[in-house]
Parts: sequence; structure tokens; C-alpha cells
Amino acid sequence: DVKVTQSSRYLVKRTGEKVFLECVQDMDHENMFWYRQDPGLGLRLIYFSYDVKMKEKGDIPEGYSVSREKKERFSLILESASTNQTSMYLCASSPGLAAYEQYFGPGTRLTVT
Amino acid sequence: DAKTTQPTSMDCAEGRAANLPCNHSTISGNEYVYWYRQIHSQGPQYIIHGLKNNETNEMASLIITEDRKSSTLILPHATLRDTAVYYCIVRVETSGSRLTFGEGTQLTVNP
Repeated sequence: DVKVTQSSRYLVKRTGEKVFLECVQDMDHENMFWYRQDPGLGLRLIYFSYDVKMKEKGDIPEGYSVSREKKERFSLILESASTNQTSMYLCASSPGLAAYEQYFGPGTRLTVT
Repeated sequence: DAKTTQPTSMDCAEGRAANLPCNHSTISGNEYVYWYRQIHSQGPQYIIHGLKNNETNEMASLIITEDRKSSTLILPHATLRDTAVYYCIVRVETSGSRLTFGEGTQLTVNP
């Protein structure tokens, strides 16, 4: 089974802090994604990566950056956390860029106070 | 991408088959039908996908009508753990990576 793990299930940070969310997948998938999910707004793509050191902006990249130094690991960075970044963050991986067979991690519920 | 329509909610008795419908009347020939579900406070879970033919895996069966304008996800023996929001998505495989969920169907499996 594909396993996607995220570093924390719950996280509380203060406004202005730098926040790192880590995601690791064990299926040698080329593609990895970061989404956020908010009530009434559904799932929104922040960034995705189709190869090591490659990244592409999604629909809402402002305030975020990403890092992919190794194939299995994709990190989401909030440079200076703000309260409007309080959300559920979901990491996913897939075997092909066009594949909608995406495998998700359990999510990190981030609260910025 | 074709728009999908699903019922807002459904109930099912434990051990019975759950049949979740999805209408996608504007589907085009190269669009696939995907199903995901999301259990409360967990990440979405891929279930199954298909193009024309019916598909079955260890989780579910997908029945696509001959005209492809609708489909049904079947959970053959629903359990309490199948209580979740089920999303039907229609996408061309080469149109990009974004997954976007509509409202989905809240399936509640009752003991």
C-alpha cells in the first residue's frame, strides 16, 4: 500500500513564525502535491512537484514556498505564518503528473494564533 | 471539465450494498470518472476510476452507463467505517494535476 506520512497531525503556531510541514511518501512516486482544505472552499492546490528540485505553483502559492531535495520528501514552508493560513494541509503523491490517482496523507491541522 | 451532480446525502444499513450515483451528462470522450472519499478529519482516499468499462477493485465497483452520462459507485457490503463524504470527479487525464472536489455525497452507514 502507498503510504504518505505528514510530520504532525496538529500544530499551533504564532503569527510571524516560520513553519515547516513535512511530507514523506514511500512508493517512489514522481509527483507530490500540497493542498489546503477549508470549509466551503474545498481543496485548493498550493504547490506541486514533478521531480526532485522541480516545483510548480498551484492556485494559491502566495505566502508559501516548497522544497524537494529528495524524491520521497516534499516540504511546505510558511515563511511568516498569518492567521489566514489556519487550515487543514494535505500532502499527496501520484505516480504520474496527469494521474488523478493521488494518495493523500492524514493531514496537518494548523492553527495560527 | 465536465460538471458532476451527486445527492447531498444518503443512508445505508450496515452489511447492505451502498449505491452512490453521479450524473455527468456533459462528459466528453476522453474524460475519466474518478471516485474519492474523505472520512471526517482524514485526508481524501482514492477509491477507483474508469473510462468506459465497469471496474472493480478490493474497495468498490464502478458502473458506468453505456452513454457515459452517469455512473454508480457500489460498496458491496457497507461497514460503519465507510461513513464518509464521497466525491465523483470527471477529468481528462492530461489536463493537469489539480484535484478539485465538489460537494460530494455524505454517506452514513447505520448499524
